[in-house]
Amino acid sequence: LAKTTQPISMDSYEGQEVNITCSHNNIATNDYITWYQQFPSQGPRFIIQGYKTKVKNEVASLFIPADRKSSTLSLPRVSLSDTAVYYCLEGNSGYALNFGKGTSLLVTP
Amino acid sequence: DAMVIQNPRYQVTQFGKPVTLSCSQTLNHNVMYWYQQKSSQAPKLLFHYYDKDFNNEADTPDNFQSRRPNTSFCFLDIRSPGLGDAAMYLCATSRDSSMEQFFGPGTRLTVL
Repeated sequence: LAKTTQPISMDSYEGQEVNITCSHNNIATNDYITWYQQFPSQGPRFIIQGYKTKVKNEVASLFIPADRKSSTLSLPRVSLSDTAVYYCLEGNSGYALNFGKGTSLLVTP
Repeated sequence: DAMVIQNPRYQVTQFGKPVTLSCSQTLNHNVMYWYQQKSSQAPKLLFHYYDKDFNNEADTPDNFQSRRPNTSFCFLDIRSPGLGDAAMYLCATSRDSSMEQFFGPGTRLTVL
C-alpha cells in the first residue's frame, strides 16, 4: 500500500500555478519525498526530491514543512503539455518505489 | 543522449506463447528494474538487478523471469502469457539505490 495520499485529479487553466499536495503522516526519519511525472504511454520521469523546507529546479518547486507530514509540489505557469499524472512517493530506496494512485492533472486553454 | 531504450514498443503475443521484452541503457547504471503498469494503474515493481544480483518482488508471479547478460541489457521473459498479463512493461535504471530512476518508453504487450 502507498504511504502517501494525494488528490485523484486536478484541473487547471493554462498559465496558472498548480499546487499538488501530498499527505504522508507517518513519514520515517530517513525517508525522502520524491515526485514523478508520467505522460500517457510514456514511462515516469523524475521531477524533484526533497527532505525538508524548499527545493526548486527548472521544472517545479517542492515545499516540505518542518513536521514533514505533508508536501506540496508547485508547477509554475502550467501549459497544456503539463497534463500528466503526478506521483508523490515516500521512501529512501529506489528498490521499493511505491507509486500509489497519483494525481491526474488536466490543463485546459 | 544517455537513455533507456525498450524494444519493441508494441508486442502482440498469443495466449500461452512465450514472449521476451528487451531493455538497454547507455547510462551505465548498475541497477535495472522491470515494472508492470496496467491501464489506469500505477507502475508495479516486478524485480530488479543490482549488478548481477537478481531481486524478485514477493508477489511477482513465477511466470515472469528476467535475465541481465551484461550491464547494458536486461530482458523480461513471460513464459506463458495470460490475458491478465496485457500491460505496459517499463524498464528503469538507477545508480545504486537512488530514488531517481530513469525510465524507458515502455513496451505495450497485447495478449490475444
